[in-house]
Amino acid sequence: EAQVTQNPRYLITVTGKKLTVTCSQNMNHEYMSWYRQDPGLGLRQIYYSMNVEVTDKGDVPEGYKVSRKEKRNFPLILESPSPNQTSLYFCASTPAAGASTDTQYFGPGTRLTVL
Amino acid sequence: AQSVSQHNHHVILSEAASLELGCNYSYGGTVNLFWYVQYPGQHLQLLLKYFSGDPLVKGIKGFEAEFIKSKFSFNLRKPSVQWSDTAEYFCAVGRDDKIIFGKGTRLHILP
Repeated sequence: EAQVTQNPRYLITVTGKKLTVTCSQNMNHEYMSWYRQDPGLGLRQIYYSMNVEVTDKGDVPEGYKVSRKEKRNFPLILESPSPNQTSLYFCASTPAAGASTDTQYFGPGTRLTVL
Repeated sequence: AQSVSQHNHHVILSEAASLELGCNYSYGGTVNLFWYVQYPGQHLQLLLKYFSGDPLVKGIKGFEAEFIKSKFSFNLRKPSVQWSDTAEYFCAVGRDDKIIFGKGTRLHILP
């Protein structure tokens, strides 16, 4: 089944403890992206990648890192999480080179709580 | 600043009522337009999209949207809603490599 998977789905952690949220897609998509969803703010793009080894900042990149060593994987790294990063995180992928020009396929979401 | 505005944050309708959700954007030039839907407990999925051609676009589940370039609008419509349409709806605008989402509209359909 064609899909975008994220792990973990739920995570509670403490301030400053490094964490990684994994994202993987099995559709051979070029473009991958991370969003955070907060009540009243909608989805905001954190980082995106147009291809392997190519990543770029979205609208809210502070406090996050990403890497794209393989086409299928796009992990989101929080080196030192803070409570303001408590949010619902979505990974998405797109067949073509840009989310602005093609349908995005979203993962199930990761609900992160930073205490 | 470039932005996407969804006028209604929360809409409550009875079944069989007609629906129109507003979306306006502030980008100039050529844009691509999307509506995504998030059903309770599920991830976002595409409802419909507009890139070019006929400004009236039909999507899944009886939804449609009309692109009005002069008004910078892409409103979502459905003539008769169902209880299963209860969800959050997001308008999104794509241009160059960027995509910007609106803040979303929560739609509750009363049975």
